[in-house]
This record gives sequence, C-alpha cells and structure tokens, in this order.
Amino acid sequence: DTAVSQTPKYLVTQMGNDKSIKCEQNLGHDTMYWYKQDSKKFLKIMFSYNNKELIINETVPNRFSPKSPDKAHLNLHINSLELGDSAVYFCASSQGRQRNIQYFGAGTRLSVL
Amino acid sequence: GDSVTQMEGPVTLSEEAFLTINCTYTATGYPSLFWYVQYPGEGLQLLLKATKADDKGSNKGFEATYRKETTSFHLEKGSVQVSDSAVYFCALSSNNAGNMLTFGGGTRLMVKP
Repeated sequence: DTAVSQTPKYLVTQMGNDKSIKCEQNLGHDTMYWYKQDSKKFLKIMFSYNNKELIINETVPNRFSPKSPDKAHLNLHINSLELGDSAVYFCASSQGRQRNIQYFGAGTRLSVL
Repeated sequence: GDSVTQMEGPVTLSEEAFLTINCTYTATGYPSLFWYVQYPGEGLQLLLKATKADDKGSNKGFEATYRKETTSFHLEKGSVQVSDSAVYFCALSSNNAGNMLTFGGGTRLMVKP
C-alpha cells in the first residue's frame, strides 16, 4: 500500500478553470502538508494542517484553498487557474513533533495552458 | 530567517566515481540537518540526518557530517551507481520554526554507465 497517495498524477487544464488535487495518507500521521515545486526544482511549503487545523499558510494566493475532511486527507482546490500555477505539487505527512521527518507522495504535475 | 544553499547542478559523474554535493546553511540556534532524495517520478524521501554538531548521518553508502564551525553538511559517497541518479535536497529544521523543514534548491545527479 502506498503510504501517501495523490491523485491525479497528471493534470492538464485551461486557464481560468477550477481544479482539485486529492491526498490521502495511511500512516496514521497527524500533520499533512502541501508543497509546490517549480521548474527549477525549488520546493516551497504552501500549507500545513495538524489534526484538521491549519497551522501554516505561507504567502499563497487565496485562489488556493486546502480542505481537510479528516486527518488522513488534505485536498488542494485551486480556483481560476493561471499559467504560473504550472508546477509539481507534493503532499506530505508527519507525526507528532517529528515534523522534519516527512513522507511525500509522488507528486501531481499540473500544466495550465 | 533560516536558509539552505546547495551547489547548483547538474552533477554528472561516471559510475564508481566519488561524489560530493556541497550544502551550507544559515540558522539561529542548533538546527537538525537532513538530506532528502527524489528519484525520477517519485516524491522526496529521507536519505539521512544529523541532529547535533559532529554527528555523521549515513545510509545506502551516503554520508554527511554536521560541521557547526563551517555551517556545512556536505553529502558524500565513495562510489556512485547509475541507480543513484536523482535530485538531492539538503534541508534543516529548527525548534524556533516548529521543526518545519527548510529545503535547499536541490542538486540533480546524473550517473553514466
């Protein structure tokens, strides 16, 4: 079983559309994250949720809205997609105070045309 | 704030060559240091870590030593294999940032047979 799974793996869409990326972890972790990796491989944290509560919200446009229905899921909804949103988005999870030991999903490559 | 600087890639080596990927950091206090690896098409995974000065982290033939005097955590491997081709990320976490990870820009390693 995949520990952290993201769907879809690839997402191609037009500017202005709204899309969602789903993330699920079966590790029993209490904290989940979304990262954005740009074309130069820079990895930047976007959001972090602990037990369904938002604990980190970096400087991200409010077109991005994370939703955590339970502590095993953290979905990312993006409104009014822009060209600059094209990137690979990674979900990750960790447990307790060991927030620096994170388990990553395989990523979702988003291409906005 | 905290930051991590890695050598820019790509680093191209022949099989069995010696590898060094440089990493230096800036942080207040006493951070923990990490190397994460991203194989093609996969998410990041923890490779090794060190939590205090002079600690050496090691895994899969890779090693890195926490050098407080030079604020460095260089990754080394004595003999690389084609299967080591990946992107390597140096990262730190500190208590004053809630143990969240701060990543360097990543270094792509390509190993040729």
